[in-house]
Amino acid sequence: DAGVIQSPRHEVTEMGQEVTLRCKPISGHNSLFWYRQTMMRGLELLIYFNNNVPIDDSGMPEDRFSAKMPNASFSTLKIQPSEPRDSAVYFCASTPSGQQETQYFGPGTRLLVL
Amino acid sequence: AQRVTQPEKLLSVFKGAPVELKCNYSYSGSPELFWYVQYSRQRLQLLLRHISRESIKGFTADLNKGETSFHLKKPFAQEEDSAMYYCALGWTDSWGKLQFGAGTQVVVTP
Repeated sequence: DAGVIQSPRHEVTEMGQEVTLRCKPISGHNSLFWYRQTMMRGLELLIYFNNNVPIDDSGMPEDRFSAKMPNASFSTLKIQPSEPRDSAVYFCASTPSGQQETQYFGPGTRLLVL
Repeated sequence: AQRVTQPEKLLSVFKGAPVELKCNYSYSGSPELFWYVQYSRQRLQLLLRHISRESIKGFTADLNKGETSFHLKKPFAQEEDSAMYYCALGWTDSWGKLQFGAGTQVVVTP
């Protein structure tokens, strides 16, 4: 198994542009988490899904951020419009059923908004 | 509210010296505590969890409910221990949600 897959691995964009980050969880995992990592704030939970349903989006910073999980094998995190302060590493993680606390992380997407 | 505090952003130790990473938590119920590690150019991964009471790569962590702490310790640090370490708190009925601390960067010098 390749583990959690994220794309792209790196993204450079200009302020105001739309950014879409993608995640494919490990097959059979039923929970998916999106995190943002910065030097100042560490690892912040943005939103998480259970069985494709959003459970808690209280960590989403503002309306510019949205996330979807149309099926068990795919999720997106969208930022529209992007701003320089959105620059960070965005991680996706998934959890297998019955092991709710062991999260398996993807390699992350490094986003730079100019 | 749940909170995880890692007071040290950076910990620099010499090879062979003991290392201790501090973690304090705030939670009124029965907590689940974890340590995750991120080595350079690798994914964030689970290092250990308090419920397992095991030693991984020489690291141990004891949950002290009286002091609300879950410090990570290793008696003899190795260069390969250089990494970013995150303490994380989980709780019941949270659907697997974890609250992470800010992280501690450990640098082991020869």
